[in-house]
Amino acid sequence: GEDVEQSLFLSVREGDSSVINCTYTDSSSTYLYWYKQEPGAGLQLLTYIFSNMDMKQDQRLTVLLNKKDKHLSLRIADTQTGDSAIYFCAESINNQGGKLIFGQGTELSVKP
Amino acid sequence: NAGVTQTPKFRILKIGQSMTLQCTQDMNHNYMYWYRQDPGMGLKLIYYSVGAGITDKGEVPNGYNVSRSTTEDFPLRLELAAPSQTSVYFCASSVGTTNEKLFFGSGTQLSVL
Repeated sequence: GEDVEQSLFLSVREGDSSVINCTYTDSSSTYLYWYKQEPGAGLQLLTYIFSNMDMKQDQRLTVLLNKKDKHLSLRIADTQTGDSAIYFCAESINNQGGKLIFGQGTELSVKP
Repeated sequence: NAGVTQTPKFRILKIGQSMTLQCTQDMNHNYMYWYRQDPGMGLKLIYYSVGAGITDKGEVPNGYNVSRSTTEDFPLRLELAAPSQTSVYFCASSVGTTNEKLFFGSGTQLSVL
């Protein structure tokens, strides 16, 4: 079945770049997503990428997609303490809208 | 706009008890979803609905029931609570297009002891 894998923890210093990696299995996914979860809150959509794109940039966020290797990454430039959160990669189940398969989440810790 | 509202925020149940987790959205979204999040794990889809009167199973539906009598409300029912249902439950909604932005509620933390 479909599966999404992420590393569990990442620690960076304020001002550095963070790179969060994700691998997925369903090559038919049209969109791949990055969600952010702050403590005690629900998930919020950070960004997404269409499967025919290799890269998408949105202010401090850069998403890279390698379809051949089924690898997705999220780069956060100039990481701030406010970026500390859990970041989830997700793909659509059988390409059906909001039926998503989420990775385990990567806990990003930003140290001053 | 309130967005997606879930109640209660916390609940402790004894094994075998039943309860209903409430979810309501005021964005007139057709699609609604229930996910559960276990510690150190990603979210798993329990049930979803594409409109009033229509529901379907997700990845992990066993032990749960849902109903969708109105566009706004999508309650999740646990009939016989088990320790394996200890989790954080998130309700979400979306417009219902291919490129889905899910709007999540703030979650219900449920412990079954």
